Amino acid sequence: QVQLVQSGAEVKKPGASVKVSCKASGYTFNGYYMDWVRQAPGQGLEWMGRINPNSGATNYTQKFQGRVTMTRDTSISTAYMELSRLRSDDTAVYYCARLVTLYDVFDIWGQGTMVTVS
Amino acid sequence: EIVLTQSPGTLSLSPGERATLSCRASQSVSSRYLAWYQQKPGQAPRLLIYGASIRATGIPDRFSGGGSGTDFTLTINRLEPEDFAVYYCQQCGSSVITFGQGTRLEIK
Repeated sequence: QVQLVQSGAEVKKPGASVKVSCKASGYTFNGYYMDWVRQAPGQGLEWMGRINPNSGATNYTQKFQGRVTMTRDTSISTAYMELSRLRSDDTAVYYCARLVTLYDVFDIWGQGTMVTVS
Repeated sequence: EIVLTQSPGTLSLSPGERATLSCRASQSVSSRYLAWYQQKPGQAPRLLIYGASIRATGIPDRFSGGGSGTDFTLTINRLEPEDFAVYYCQQCGSSVITFGQGTRLEIK
């Protein structure tokens, strides 16, 4: 079945970097943009940006410009999100989500990766 | 960027009742790019409605969406116990995606 499986929870020190992976299966990886959304504890959803797995082109929201890098490895159908210069307010669950471009909605989500900065 | 404001923040209802959730945009949103998600504790969000009124695959017909311009609604008829969750609206404008802050639907 179509699914996105993310890497496990991480604990990082302030100032460090974290890299989260998202492995796709059950569909053509290159056929859909992959976006990243985060959710701080008890808070709402915050869109971070996206990558076009076909070309590698990225689009980051202004808030994360300069701190986030999204990449992909098409040979293993995996997308990555790296966030640098971590702060305590980066503590959140990070989700990858498959974008349906016709409507710009997320139809498949990963299970989430908890990143704790402390 | 377009700001989405959801109301109410919390809605307390009983099973069998109807829930009406509101999502108001700071500027006009194309209906094509307005969606609703449901999120339960410890789970990823689940797509319910896209294109403002199209139910996603497997979503029961007691869920319906409507509205246009700056005002959109999600209606849940005959609430079931599994419907009590947090609901988010989402839009995409100028390639920037934003979410509302969420409405918590709780059992009265």
